[in-house]
Amino acid sequence: GAGVSQSPSNKVTEKGKDVELRCDPISGHTALYWYRQRLGQGLEFLIYFQGNSAPDKSGLPSDRFSAERTGESVSTLTIQRTQQEDSAVYLCASSLVPGLAVQVAKNIQYFGAGTRLSVL
Amino acid sequence: AQKVTQAQTEISVVEKEDVTLDCVYETRDTTYYLFWYKQPPSGELVFLIRRNSFDEQNEISGRYSWNFQKSTSSFNFTITASQVVDSAVYFCALSEAGSGGGADGLTFGKGTHLIIQP
Repeated sequence: GAGVSQSPSNKVTEKGKDVELRCDPISGHTALYWYRQRLGQGLEFLIYFQGNSAPDKSGLPSDRFSAERTGESVSTLTIQRTQQEDSAVYLCASSLVPGLAVQVAKNIQYFGAGTRLSVL
Repeated sequence: AQKVTQAQTEISVVEKEDVTLDCVYETRDTTYYLFWYKQPPSGELVFLIRRNSFDEQNEISGRYSWNFQKSTSSFNFTITASQVVDSAVYFCALSEAGSGGGADGLTFGKGTHLIIQP
């Protein structure tokens, strides 16, 4: 697609329910990232996928959060037993090639519009 | 550990004024990248610029300019002759050199809400 697509754009759920957020990266982008943005805050890195490598989950805040990605396609972020503090905008980004070696230009992350999650 | 500080939470100026958004970063790496993103009310982050740690040349793009100073660990962003359409939240971000398979996530500042009044 032309840009990173996320769905749904808005999600309201009750505390304790599970939610699933979807990200469709730019076609051909090998790297995919999930971030969380709480109200009035900057973005917090959650997880990173690169091709078929094991994902970097270092940013996930708890074991209630998980994400999957098949190959270089769609990714889903799942939050189990949602809590009110999970309310935030969840942003997805993709980039053509990851890595920050000096010889390889760091590719730019292009962001989707986000999913606004409200846990009541 | 890496950190990005945007001390200005909100700036309000009248249209046509120049405005500078400050960004100060912390990193132990000698190789890193700095970014600015714009987040308009629609919510989607828009890439503005990437600068690597080996290139301290200032950059100008139309009404936008960036001043990278390694000596003060700052990467400030100036908008000249501001316009109402410039109203948005602006984020400065840092990415350190990874070990290939490490996290390439960006570390963001908390953002500066820029309001341009007509």
